[in-house]
This record gives sequence, C-alpha cells and structure tokens, in this order.
Amino acid sequence: QVQLQESGPGLLKPSQTLSLTCTVSGASSTSADYYWSWIRQPAGKGPEWIGRIYPTGSTDYNPSLESRVTISRDTSKNQFSLKLTSVTAADTAVYYCSRSMVSGYNWFDPWGQGTPVTVSS
Amino acid sequence: DIQMTQSPSSLSASVGDSVKITCRASQRIGTYVNWYQQKPGKAPQLLIFGASNLQSGVPSRVSGSGSGTDFTLTISSLQPEDFATYYCQESYVMPFTFGPGTKVDI
Repeated sequence: QVQLQESGPGLLKPSQTLSLTCTVSGASSTSADYYWSWIRQPAGKGPEWIGRIYPTGSTDYNPSLESRVTISRDTSKNQFSLKLTSVTAADTAVYYCSRSMVSGYNWFDPWGQGTPVTVSS
Repeated sequence: DIQMTQSPSSLSASVGDSVKITCRASQRIGTYVNWYQQKPGKAPQLLIFGASNLQSGVPSRVSGSGSGTDFTLTISSLQPEDFATYYCQESYVMPFTFGPGTKVDI
C-alpha cells in the first residue's frame, strides 16, 4: 500500500523560502508508471495543483506559480521536494503530496495527510 | 486555464436521501473529470475518475456521469459517512483545476 508523508516547517515569514519534503513508502518514486505532484489548499477553498515531477526527473509547473517553484527528488531516500520562494500570506495553505498515473485521467491518488503552512510576520 | 464551477455550493440532506452535485467546465473536456470527497482535517480522497469510473473501494451508491462540459456526481441513499465536501477536478490539461467544492451536511 502506497503511503506519502509530507514534512517541513509550518511557519514562515514573508519573503522566505518554503521547503517541504514528501517521503514515499510502498512504491518507488522513480517508477516509470507515475508522476509525483504537490497540491495545496487554502482554508475554505478548493485544492490547487502546484506541479509534478516525472519519472525521468523533468517537471511541470502551474503557470501561476512557475516563477517561484522548484520540484526535485532524492531517489536514494525515495523522496521528492518542493521549494517555493518569496512567500507571502497568499501562500498560506495545507500542502499535500500525491501521485498520478503516467497513462490515465491524471487523477490524484493517494494523497499524503497534508502539512499546514502559515506565512505571517 | 479551464475553469470549473460547482453547484450548489452547499446542500442539506438527510440519511437515505439521493443527492446530485453538478460540475461545469469552461470548455469541452471529454470525460476528463475526477471527483473527490474531503472530510474536515483530512486529505481529499478519490471517488470517481474519468467522469464515471468508480475508484476501488468506493461504495456503489456513488456514481458519476457526463461528458463535454457538464458532469454530475450522484450519491444515492446517503449514509452518515457521506457528509463531507466534494470537489471535481479537470484532468484534460494542466494545471488540472479543481472546483470550489460542494458541502453536503445534515
């Protein structure tokens, strides 16, 4: 059974860089069958896809965040990571990592439990 | 980006009721819609993929339909565990936009 677990600091000041890690268990993050994504959800709103990393290591990003986002991976630790620079209060949200199939309808399953991030001075 | 709208934004129902939630896409997307259920403090869980395909483990009282721009999630014979917020998501093109959600409560 695949499980994902997010980790990282939960409180940031404006202009700092958000760094989160997703640890994958029960599957390989280098499997050719899956993409690995970051998704966030502000309180009371729908989720927002941030971006994904391919089995090859290449990436796709949401254009609204592309200038500030980097997704990378550490294959030795079966982890992938998110960096979001120059954060503001608008980046306050619960951040999730998830998986989607390379061939399919791009559905997200499973999701990690989520980690709350607050940006405040 | 494709915009996803949902109606209603919230609804009240009782155990045993049948409820329908509608999702509309701003352009035609075939059957590239997925549905999720989210309970307070928990991550969304996949219910339906490809507009009408039931995810493994999801009860058969849940169903999805539609194609093009209009999609429906139906839950027949509502059970206590079905009270939650439901989101649609387009998976036709990045950035895979989610709808704003429909809250189903008692």
